Amino acid sequence: NAGVTQTPKFRILKIGQSMTLQCTQDMNHNYMYWYRQDPGMGLKLIYYSVGAGITDKGEVPNGYNVSRSTTEDFPLRLELAAPSQTSVYFCASSYRGDEQYFGPGTRLTVT
Amino acid sequence: GENVEQHPSTLSVQEGDSAVIKCTYSDSASNYFPWYKQELGKRPQLIIDIRSNVGEKKDQRIAVTLNKTAKHFSLHITETQPEDSAVYFCAAPDNYGQNFVFGPGTRLSVLP
Repeated sequence: NAGVTQTPKFRILKIGQSMTLQCTQDMNHNYMYWYRQDPGMGLKLIYYSVGAGITDKGEVPNGYNVSRSTTEDFPLRLELAAPSQTSVYFCASSYRGDEQYFGPGTRLTVT
Repeated sequence: GENVEQHPSTLSVQEGDSAVIKCTYSDSASNYFPWYKQELGKRPQLIIDIRSNVGEKKDQRIAVTLNKTAKHFSLHITETQPEDSAVYFCAAPDNYGQNFVFGPGTRLSVLP
């Protein structure tokens, strides 16, 4: 099992550009999550999904969109990137909403 | 929604001493409380968790205690070692258990 994988590892975006952060898990987990972690700070929930076709907003959803067309994939879309979106983005999954398995993260810089 | 507070924000201990980190939560219906460890530049990883039907759980040098009446739970690390140096996060369920709210983290430094 590869667990939770994320691509890319690093990305630099210009203000106003768009991109999609990819997240895939091979553990057949129902729950998937996207967090952002600013330097020296905790984890803030952006969006989550409790199963294919179901998504919901977390604490900081503005400027982001998600989709969950399959159990395995949960991409995060950034539209019109802003410097405030500079952060490390973690995807996580969970079988039944308890223990979460995190991906390695994507370090995004918007300049 | 759930609110999670965590103290202290930083903690320095001598190697071999014990470390205790405390979290409080607001939703009395919460029933599952995990602790995650995040080493510098790495992903968070679960180190121990506890469910509301027990008051304490231990795994070698790590233990977690839960006081449901007072709505707080604590991480205890005994005989600390340099490799215990990391940021530790507690979490509690939110939105009927569909997601989690994380505490702000505690940076633990174990001094040799």
